[in-house]
Amino acid sequence: SYELTQPPSVSVSPGQTARITCSGDKLGDKYACWYYQKPGQSPILVIYEDTKRPSGIPERFSGSNSGNTATLTISGTQAMDEADYYCQAWDSSTHVVFGGGTKLTVL
Amino acid sequence: QVQLVESGGGLVKPGGSLRLSCAASRFTFSDYYMTWIRQAPGKGLEWVSYISSRGGSLYYADSVKGRFTISRDNTKNSLYLQMNSLRAEDTAVYYCARGQYISTYFFDFWGRGTLVTVSS
Repeated sequence: SYELTQPPSVSVSPGQTARITCSGDKLGDKYACWYYQKPGQSPILVIYEDTKRPSGIPERFSGSNSGNTATLTISGTQAMDEADYYCQAWDSSTHVVFGGGTKLTVL
Repeated sequence: QVQLVESGGGLVKPGGSLRLSCAASRFTFSDYYMTWIRQAPGKGLEWVSYISSRGGSLYYADSVKGRFTISRDNTKNSLYLQMNSLRAEDTAVYYCARGQYISTYFFDFWGRGTLVTVSS
């Protein structure tokens, strides 16, 4: 079955750039998307089809996907960006796959 | 704004059954794939099942295959998940999510979830 791997945690200082990675076999051949989730809340889509931002998502969120790794980049990270982030892909055999999640700490 | 409201969660004994519902509004429900995703306490997201817009295609995670059944009623703008033979490891918040099935599949709106607890 297909698997996606994320680092359990990433730390960043306010105003700096945070990068969260998501690794999977030939992930670059699929589309990746990203969600963030704050404690007690539902996940929110922040990036889809590798690089696209839904309406209402700030421009500081961007995505890329190549080779075996998709990356979510948060430029000028703010305290409000502190959350759990999940990558997700779709595979024709496994169907929907989520990464294990990354806790972003802004300190 | 799209609205998805789950209901039907609760406490159930191992081996028991539960039926979850998701009421959809403010979009054309029959145009979209719909999905159930769950999250065990303190854990990550796990896809459970999804159903095509007209209900003709159904897919399940291996962990629930043969025990859970997804269905929808487009006349009532509702999604369902019948859960049988429940186990302790099925304890989770269950989210209903709207799917965008284009060149890939992702979820652009999520409900607030309903908690299912399987315990004796």
